[in-house]
Amino acid sequence: DTAVSQTPKYLVTQMGNDKSIKCEQNLGHDTMYWYKQDSKKFLKIMFSYNNKELIINETVPNRFSPKSPDKAHLNLHINSLELGDSAVYFCASSQPRGRAFFGQGTRLTVV
Amino acid sequence: GQQLNQSPQSMFIQEGEDVSMNCTSSSIFNTWLWYKQDPGEGPVLLIALYKAGELTSNGRLTAQFGITRKDSFLNISASIPSDVGIYFCAGNTGTASKLTFGTGTRLQVTL
Repeated sequence: DTAVSQTPKYLVTQMGNDKSIKCEQNLGHDTMYWYKQDSKKFLKIMFSYNNKELIINETVPNRFSPKSPDKAHLNLHINSLELGDSAVYFCASSQPRGRAFFGQGTRLTVV
Repeated sequence: GQQLNQSPQSMFIQEGEDVSMNCTSSSIFNTWLWYKQDPGEGPVLLIALYKAGELTSNGRLTAQFGITRKDSFLNISASIPSDVGIYFCAGNTGTASKLTFGTGTRLQVTL
């Protein structure tokens, strides 16, 4: 069983569209994250949720809205997609201040 | 904000050689983690360090948590082709569930 799974793995869409990425973890962790990896491979945190509550929002544009329906799921909805949103988005989970485990990533390409 | 600088940026080595890379921070961290990322995959945790001065091994990998809590290094002994990938350090201050990632070291191993 995959510990942290996210869908889709690839997403190609036009500018201005709205899209969602889903993430699920079966590790029983309390904390989930979204990270963005740019073309230079820099990994930067976007959001962190602990027990469905948003605890970190790293100056991400309002077009990005995370939602955590329960502590095993964290989805990311992106409105009005822009070219600069093209990147790989990683979901991760951990216990608080603990080791984080990552999903396989969603490669988003905005054309 | 916190920055983690890794060096070297990239390394080209021959199979069988030992590798050393390090990570430095402008701030103190309570936890240091080392990850490896293969192409098209998410980062995979290699080693976790929780105490200043701690030295931990995982097979051919050895990592140390610097005494100042502002640095860490990772050694790989007797490298093999499957060691190819990008190695990231990551730190956690412990005040929030947030990992700050280093800039990455890209490792290439030639036969």
